[in-house]
Amino acid sequence: DQQVKQNSPSLSVQEGRISILNCDYTNSMFDYFLWYKKYPAEGPTFLISISSIKDKNEDGRFTVFLNKSAKHLSLHIVPSQPGDSAVYFCAASAYGGGSQGNLIFGKGTKLSVKP
Amino acid sequence: EAGVTQSPTHLIKTRGQQATLRCSPISGHTSVYWYQQALGLGLQFLLWYDEGEERNRGNFPPRFSGRQFPNYSSELNVNALELEDSALYLCASRDRGQGTYGFTFGSGTRLTVV
Repeated sequence: DQQVKQNSPSLSVQEGRISILNCDYTNSMFDYFLWYKKYPAEGPTFLISISSIKDKNEDGRFTVFLNKSAKHLSLHIVPSQPGDSAVYFCAASAYGGGSQGNLIFGKGTKLSVKP
Repeated sequence: EAGVTQSPTHLIKTRGQQATLRCSPISGHTSVYWYQQALGLGLQFLLWYDEGEERNRGNFPPRFSGRQFPNYSSELNVNALELEDSALYLCASRDRGQGTYGFTFGSGTRLTVV
């Protein structure tokens, strides 16, 4: 049973436009969510996170929105740049940002930003 | 500061053999996590070690095992290799004080079972 779902395996957008990556989760105990970016032949790198007590977190061109009632979060990238082309993973934790436990990841969405 | 290092980068084994993958965490990080990224399956949690002990285990058979050494480096062993074990194996480390957002991943070991 997949607890974190990224239903779009791929997304293609034009440079300068908005990229919206979606993530759904099923476990009501999740209270901390993260997005990671992964380039080929590299490990995932942390991008942005959000606690369940918030509905929005912004960091430069990246904004994460959380809709707890829908168990849905999204990552917005504005404006999209060719260097953003990578696989984006949504991850969740059940014990908050201070947890020492493991993260549960989605399958990832491959973003392609075309010049 | 050196990041999380994994070795070897690539490993080719025959079905039925054993594979050993190694991970050196960031200096000062005491927790080490292992994940498997098989094709189309995202990152699946395998094992979590902290202070030399196994703290949690994902839904994998017992032939996946590991250990953490006194210097906090870790080893993942996969016995009786099967073709479906072919995947990218990622190690991550974290400082106890950093919480969930402190995960730092290595570049992984690509295991191919033939």
